[in-house]
Amino acid sequence: QVQLQESGPRLVKPSQTLSLTCSVSGGSISSADYYWSWIRQPPGKGLEWIGYIYYSGTTFYNPSFKSRLIMSVDPSKNQFYLKLNSVTAADTAVYYCAREGTGLMRGVFDSWGQGTLATVSS
Amino acid sequence: DIVMTQSPDSLAVSLGERATINCKSSQSVFYSYNSNNYLAWYQQKPGQPPKLLISWASVRESGVPDRFSGSGSGTDFTLTISTLQAEDVALYYCQQYYTTPWTFGLGTRVEIK
Repeated sequence: QVQLQESGPRLVKPSQTLSLTCSVSGGSISSADYYWSWIRQPPGKGLEWIGYIYYSGTTFYNPSFKSRLIMSVDPSKNQFYLKLNSVTAADTAVYYCAREGTGLMRGVFDSWGQGTLATVSS
Repeated sequence: DIVMTQSPDSLAVSLGERATINCKSSQSVFYSYNSNNYLAWYQQKPGQPPKLLISWASVRESGVPDRFSGSGSGTDFTLTISTLQAEDVALYYCQQYYTTPWTFGLGTRVEIK
């Protein structure tokens, strides 16, 4: 049973960079069957897909974030990462990492981390 | 982007009664090549992450009770809970995976009447 766990600073100042780590256990991040995604949920609002990364380092970003987003992966640590630059209060949200299928299941999220609240405030 | 519109925003249903949630996409998520609807449903209980219930509009995930069913095609979809149980109190989201960026509805809150 794969498990995902987000970690990172909970408070980020405006204009700075939000950095999060997702640690994967109970399964290999190097599986050919999965992408690894970030999804966020602003307080009281709906879910927004941010982007995904493959174990090879291939990425696919939501155009809404493309200009300020970097995702990376470290298969040796079974971790993947999110860096979101130039944050504003609108980036305050619970950030989830999730496992996304490939092939026909691309876009389907079958395992999620518990989520971490990142607050942008001075 | 495909906009997913859910209705109602919330509903209160008596235990043992039926709950029906609607989801409408701004364009069809049916792919004629393989006759599949690229539509998923998730359940989110308070303080928990979303949980995948249904993919392909009607295919339940392993372990999901059969009181949950999905239907619909093209742009109009429905999630039905046939006999509401106390543990079904949650937010329910539809999501399209027909084209990127993947998008979710705003959610429907199900409560006990």
